[in-house]
Amino acid sequence: DTGVSQNPRHKITKRGQNVTFRCDPISEHNRLYWYRQTLGQGPEFLTYFQNEAQLEKSRLLSDRFSAERPKGSFSTLEIQRTEQGDSAMYLCASSSEGRYTFGSGTRLTVV
Amino acid sequence: GEDVEQSLFLSVREGDSSVINCTYTDSSSTYLYWYKQEPGAGLQLLTYIFSNMDMKQDQRLTVLLNKKDKHLSLRIADTQTGDSAIYFCAEGGDMRFGAGTRLTVKP
Repeated sequence: DTGVSQNPRHKITKRGQNVTFRCDPISEHNRLYWYRQTLGQGPEFLTYFQNEAQLEKSRLLSDRFSAERPKGSFSTLEIQRTEQGDSAMYLCASSSEGRYTFGSGTRLTVV
Repeated sequence: GEDVEQSLFLSVREGDSSVINCTYTDSSSTYLYWYKQEPGAGLQLLTYIFSNMDMKQDQRLTVLLNKKDKHLSLRIADTQTGDSAIYFCAEGGDMRFGAGTRLTVKP
C-alpha cells in the first residue's frame, strides 16, 4: 500500500474557475477527511466521510465547496467559482481505529 | 475560538529537552495526537496517546496527558537540529488541530 495519495500536487487557477481535487485513501480505511491549511496555521477540518456517507461538514465549507465519495473509496473535493482566499494546501487523511494517515496535499493557488 | 491551543514558538539549544504544551476542549476524545510538519512537507504522525493513559514514552518522545486539566504535552529529549519543525497537537474523532508550535533548535 502506498499510503494516502492526492492529485494534483499543485494547482494554479484563475479566480472564478472551478477546480477538483482527488484523494485516494488507504484501501482498508473506512473514514476519509478533508482539511485546509493556510500558511502559519494548523489544518482546519472541512468534512469527513464514513464509507460513502458524508457525516460532518464544517461551517467553513461554503456552498461553493462540495465533496463526494461515491463508492466509499476515493473522494473528490470541488471548489466552484474560486476566490483568492481559497488559496491553501488541501489535505486528505484516512483512518482506521483512530490511526490517521495524511496525504501530501494539493496546493491551490488562485490568481 | 480555538478548540485546541498551543504556544506558537519554542527555541532550545541542541541537546536540551523540549516541552511543547497543548490544551484542548473535547473531553470525549478517545485519542490525542502529535504531528510534525517540516517546511514544505506533509504532516507526519509522531505519536498518539489513548485517553485512558497518563503517559506514553516512545524513544526520545514522552507524552503526558492530564485529562482533568485537558492538557497534553510532548517532551523531546536530547533535541537535535533535525527536530526543528512545527508540531501540532490534535484531538477528537475528526481531528481538530492547534495552530502549531514552531520549534527552533540552535546548535
